[in-house]
Amino acid sequence: GAVVSQHPSWVICKSGTSVKIECRSLDFQATTMFWYRQFPKQSLMLMATSNEGSKATYEQGVEKDKFLINHASLTLSTLTVTSAHPEDSSFYICSAQTGWGTGELFFGEGSRLTVL
Amino acid sequence: QKEVEQDPGPLSVPEGAIVSLNCTYSNSAFQYFMWYRQYSRKGPELLMYTYSSGNKEDGRFTAQVDKSSKYISLFIRDSQPSDSATYLCAMTASAGSYQLTFGKGTKLSVIP
Repeated sequence: GAVVSQHPSWVICKSGTSVKIECRSLDFQATTMFWYRQFPKQSLMLMATSNEGSKATYEQGVEKDKFLINHASLTLSTLTVTSAHPEDSSFYICSAQTGWGTGELFFGEGSRLTVL
Repeated sequence: QKEVEQDPGPLSVPEGAIVSLNCTYSNSAFQYFMWYRQYSRKGPELLMYTYSSGNKEDGRFTAQVDKSSKYISLFIRDSQPSDSATYLCAMTASAGSYQLTFGKGTKLSVIP
């Protein structure tokens, strides 16, 4: 199957700093990528849908100025958590859709963010 | 009421047992149903993808959808320790949409 790589897999940062997480589709071009957040024992919550070359679409309740998403190429999307606070500590997962329309969805390995 | 309800478990079974995992949902627009397996600290991987009501079998896994009851199930036959993971149900209203609604996931442990 296709491979989606996330980096870093673990990150610890101080409160108030910004953290960037990368999501790459390694062997296919992803026109659409999705970012999720998963708290312990909770379901994946979709944060935003990212389309290459256009602005991300954020889900209700997700602050777009805090969670900056950039999808500059067909193989890379980045999520930047700005001015991170302890409540932003979570498991962030991206997924990438192959092709258009009914393309298959592949998930990255996730990035665990801990804000001290 | 949440859109998708899934018992988080944990569920422990002996090796070789038949496992039944379930989700209920409230949105009658959901047409496409998926089961994902997520190992600890890893991203989810797709196990089964079904459309509308009925059964779908793939090896030891069987996915069942009952749209009239808004109820989906995943059965695992001859469970193995390597099946120990969290299983998430997910669903969406249209084939082209991957804006999935996920259940909380059920943590399964298969004891050797």
